[in-house]
Amino acid sequence: EVQLLESGGDLVQPGGSLRLSCVGSGFPFSNFYMSWVRQAPGKGLEWVSGISLSGGTVKTVDSVKGRFIVSRDNSQNTLFLQMNSLRVDDTALYYCAKMGPGNWYLDLWGRGTLVIVSS
Amino acid sequence: EIVMTQSPATLSVSPGETATLSCRASQSVNGYLAWYQQKPGQAPRFLIYGASSRATGVPAKFSGSGSVTEFSLTITSLQSEDVAIYYCQQYNSWPLTFGGGTRVDLK
Repeated sequence: EVQLLESGGDLVQPGGSLRLSCVGSGFPFSNFYMSWVRQAPGKGLEWVSGISLSGGTVKTVDSVKGRFIVSRDNSQNTLFLQMNSLRVDDTALYYCAKMGPGNWYLDLWGRGTLVIVSS
Repeated sequence: EIVMTQSPATLSVSPGETATLSCRASQSVNGYLAWYQQKPGQAPRFLIYGASSRATGVPAKFSGSGSVTEFSLTITSLQSEDVAIYYCQQYNSWPLTFGGGTRVDLK
């Protein structure tokens, strides 16, 4: 079965750090760009960061630039999001998403992992 | 950054009728426009890419159209399983951006 499974979400204090993981299965993980998308409670979708096949190219939304780092381990079919200096407004459900072949639409989504930043 | 604006925010449609959702980009996205469906408590589901091409397994009742900056998603013969929030997304340039969504419910 083709799927993505995120993990690592937790309750963390402002200023803290967290590392999210996403394991892909049922497809050639190393052949596709990957992204993280988040959704704050009751809000819409916000793309956070994307990474190329080998990890050599990374794109990040300005609101998390310098705080969040996306990476991947193709040998483990795993995508990561290192989140530092977390803020209350980073509270969201974080989705891992596979990007289309040669394109940047998001054609497969995980179920998400919840990050709550609160004191 | 390309800003995506969806309208209306909420659309109430009678069962069996047609829903038409709009999405506008602040500049041309060269046809690189996708649509997603998100049902309550679920992850988004990929529906449309290239403004008008249906993703694998998406029924023909969903159709996309438009170009340059103006796009639409049409859902025919609306049923209870179509109740969801629908998002457009441009993938012409980074950062990827989504519209705010249109909630579709039954009248």
